[in-house]
Amino acid sequence: NAGVTQTPKFQVLKTGQSMTLQCAQDMNHNSMYWYRQDPGMGLRLIYYSASEGTTDKGEVPNGYNVSRLNKREFSLRLESAAPSQTSVYFCASSERLGTRFIEQFFGPGTRLTVL
Amino acid sequence: GQQVMQIPQYQHVQEGEDFTTYCNSSTTLSNIQWYKQRPGGHPVFLIQLVKSGEVKKQKRLTFQFGEAKKNSSLHITATQTTDVGTYFCAGGEDSWGKLQFGAGTQVVVTP
Repeated sequence: NAGVTQTPKFQVLKTGQSMTLQCAQDMNHNSMYWYRQDPGMGLRLIYYSASEGTTDKGEVPNGYNVSRLNKREFSLRLESAAPSQTSVYFCASSERLGTRFIEQFFGPGTRLTVL
Repeated sequence: GQQVMQIPQYQHVQEGEDFTTYCNSSTTLSNIQWYKQRPGGHPVFLIQLVKSGEVKKQKRLTFQFGEAKKNSSLHITATQTTDVGTYFCAGGEDSWGKLQFGAGTQVVVTP
């Protein structure tokens, strides 16, 4: 099992360019999440998807869109990149067991620089 | 909304010493999770605490959840160079499994 995979690993964009970050998980989890990590700020939730076909905003959704393509894949799109979106982006997945969620499994991350 | 504060932000430790990192939430938590992130890596789950006053141990790591379920701590004894990394606490909720992360404690170990 590969767990959670993300592509690309690194990306440099110019201001105004668009791109899509890809994420896939092979653990049959219903829930998937996108975070950004900036120095000294921990991880902040951008969007999440509780199940295939549903998405919802997290703490910092502005400037991003998401698509839950199927149960395995959850993509994050930057329509018009800005320097403030320079960050490390992590995708994660989880599953509910009874009344609780298990831990989140994280992908290796995408390091994005916007010039 | 819910906020999770974590202190200290940095911790320099000599090998063999003990240290503690603390986590405080502005609201009562359903559960708290701890993750470790090595430099250049991704967060990796360490433990989840659910019950008020719960204490769990993993070898040299001791995790505690406060009685009011608003604070938590991670205590590491006899620090080793393998303990280097950033330790995050995250407040969990049961509706959607969302986590509110603290800013993390970056641990540097001096041999």
